[in-house]
Amino acid sequence: DAGVIQSPRHEVTEMGQEVTLRCKPISGHNSLFWYRQTMMRGLELLIYFNNNVPIDDSGMPEDRFSAKMPNASFSTLKIQPSEPRDSAVYFCASSTTANTEAFFGQGTRLTVV
Amino acid sequence: RKEVEQDPGPFNVPEGATVAFNCTYSNSASQSFFWYRQDCRKEPKLLMSVYSSGNEDGRFTAQLNRASQYISLLIRDSKLSDSATYLCVVNVDSSASKIIFGSGTRLSIRP
Repeated sequence: DAGVIQSPRHEVTEMGQEVTLRCKPISGHNSLFWYRQTMMRGLELLIYFNNNVPIDDSGMPEDRFSAKMPNASFSTLKIQPSEPRDSAVYFCASSTTANTEAFFGQGTRLTVV
Repeated sequence: RKEVEQDPGPFNVPEGATVAFNCTYSNSASQSFFWYRQDCRKEPKLLMSVYSSGNEDGRFTAQLNRASQYISLLIRDSKLSDSATYLCVVNVDSSASKIIFGSGTRLSIRP
């Protein structure tokens, strides 16, 4: 298995633009997580899905952020409009059940200028 | 109060030293616990799970204290390659997969 695949690896965009981050979880995993990592705030859980259903989005910073999981093999995190303070590394992770290891993608490094 | 808290460090210790990290969690119903390691500009990766009875993997020992709601990681005979950020991880929701990471403790091993 190729592991969790995220795209793009790097994204530089101008303030106000829409940004879409993509994630393909490991096949057979039924939980998917989106995290954001910054030096100041560490690794923050934004939202997670179980069996494609959003369970908890309390970590989503504001309405500019939205996430979808249309099927078991694909998820998106969208920021519209983007702001410079959204600059961070965004990680997607997946796992099989609640009590097992979460596997991470390599992350998307987002820079909003 | 944060759901998972750990000392950010940095810890700077000589090669061969023993170093310990602690982490506290707020939800007494938490069921599973892990330590992850993250190298600079890389994704976090599982170092070891933490079991109620404590567990050891080579130079690494993890312990869980449910009464005081903390977990610990002990690294013996530290190597240069142990330099990394160590993340305490807790599943804070026993009915779902809410996996929360601590902010990480930076460890630097010097020759």
